[in-house]
Amino acid sequence: TQLLEQSPQFLSIQEGENLTVYCNSSSVFSSLQWYRQEPGEGPVLLVTVVTGGEVKKLKRLTFQFGDARKDSSLHITAAQPGDTGLYLCAGGRGDSWGKLQFGAGTQVVVTP
Amino acid sequence: EAQVTQNPRYLITVTGKKLTVTCSQNMNHEYMSWYRQDPGLGLRQIYYSMNVEVTDKGDVPEGYKVSRKEKRNFPLILESPSPNQTSLYFCASSFARQTYNSPLHFGNGTRLTVT
Repeated sequence: TQLLEQSPQFLSIQEGENLTVYCNSSSVFSSLQWYRQEPGEGPVLLVTVVTGGEVKKLKRLTFQFGDARKDSSLHITAAQPGDTGLYLCAGGRGDSWGKLQFGAGTQVVVTP
Repeated sequence: EAQVTQNPRYLITVTGKKLTVTCSQNMNHEYMSWYRQDPGLGLRQIYYSMNVEVTDKGDVPEGYKVSRKEKRNFPLILESPSPNQTSLYFCASSFARQTYNSPLHFGNGTRLTVT
């Protein structure tokens, strides 16, 4: 059973369109991290959010942590082909040091 | 260059033949972890280590062993591999303090096939 549910599983859009990826759980997390993974490589951290309601921006990417710290979203504005990749959310809990839970990922494909 | 190095990148083996996947990091990280990645299941944690000689089970530890004799190395051992251990394996490391906030640095993966 996946502790963190990501949706959608797959997203294919045209360059210039916007997209949102969701990461939901019934559990409360101390922090949520978002990673992007490209073929043949390991995931690379994009951002960490730790405060309920927190919003962080990374150029065209906007990350939000839910008020109750159970969910998060990633919004990409004016997507570009370079945004193509597998987006993974990962939740950490202060009561279980070392056990970082990952979602199954959302595969995003941006075509020119 | 700061990195996590896994070897080998690709491995094909037969059922029951013991194998070891090595992982080394040069960032003086206390925390290291092994994950397996399967389609539709994402990354699942196998074992993790908070420091030298300190290891603990993740979510899917059955069939795997680890050791942490040195800070920089965290090998993954499959004593008797089976076909259901065919997967893409990742090693990762980070600073142990506030682990759940610290970014994980991943290796480039080891694709294992057990026939």
